[in-house]
Amino acid sequence: QSVLTQPPSVSEAPRQRVTISCSGSSSNIGNNAVNWYQQLPGKAPKLLIYYDDLLPSGVSDRFSGSKSGTSASLAISGLQSEDEADYYCAAWDDSLNGQVFGGGTKLTVL
Amino acid sequence: EVQLVESGGGLIQPGGSLRLSCAASGFTVSSNYMSWVRQAPGKGLEWVSVIYSGGSTYYADSVKGRFTISRDNSKNTLYLQMNSLRAEDTAVYYCARDLTCNYWGQGTLVTVSS
Repeated sequence: QSVLTQPPSVSEAPRQRVTISCSGSSSNIGNNAVNWYQQLPGKAPKLLIYYDDLLPSGVSDRFSGSKSGTSASLAISGLQSEDEADYYCAAWDDSLNGQVFGGGTKLTVL
Repeated sequence: EVQLVESGGGLIQPGGSLRLSCAASGFTVSSNYMSWVRQAPGKGLEWVSVIYSGGSTYYADSVKGRFTISRDNSKNTLYLQMNSLRAEDTAVYYCARDLTCNYWGQGTLVTVSS
């Protein structure tokens, strides 16, 4: 059972928009920055969004992040087949004194 | 160019010890927060430990008292000493830079089995 809650899977058609939710608490998302990672099959994770809504250099602006209270969301617009991957949210947890991850969401592009 | 290269994984019996290394290039390990994150086969990401630039260290409850994170500034290398290994420690271990984990290594597989 992960501290941060994500849906196990989402699916959408190409060129559409999908959002992935990440629910936490006041000790993690509510008080600390949220980061999002993309993990392609067989590859290491890659930072996608940091500090809630910032894009690292080189990441497509089809990806965006937002946060409200103790929940965060990752949105992907203009879906492409190469977006099929696992997506993870993460945040520091003040109570656990450690980083916590969501359980991951598998995105399928139909 | 920032690069992280892990090594030291392998097959180890329960109760044994291993030391993982993460050789960094393109930046200075001691000036950054450095983390270890693991992923059990077919499972999600699990944070293991972090060492701050100032030297403070933090651990997941699942490894506290058994794992030790450290660094060698002269070698620009991060380490994870793993003792009293259990079957549930079987995973790919990644090192990553900064609390945002903005760079990751390719990972090294640790298999704990008799």
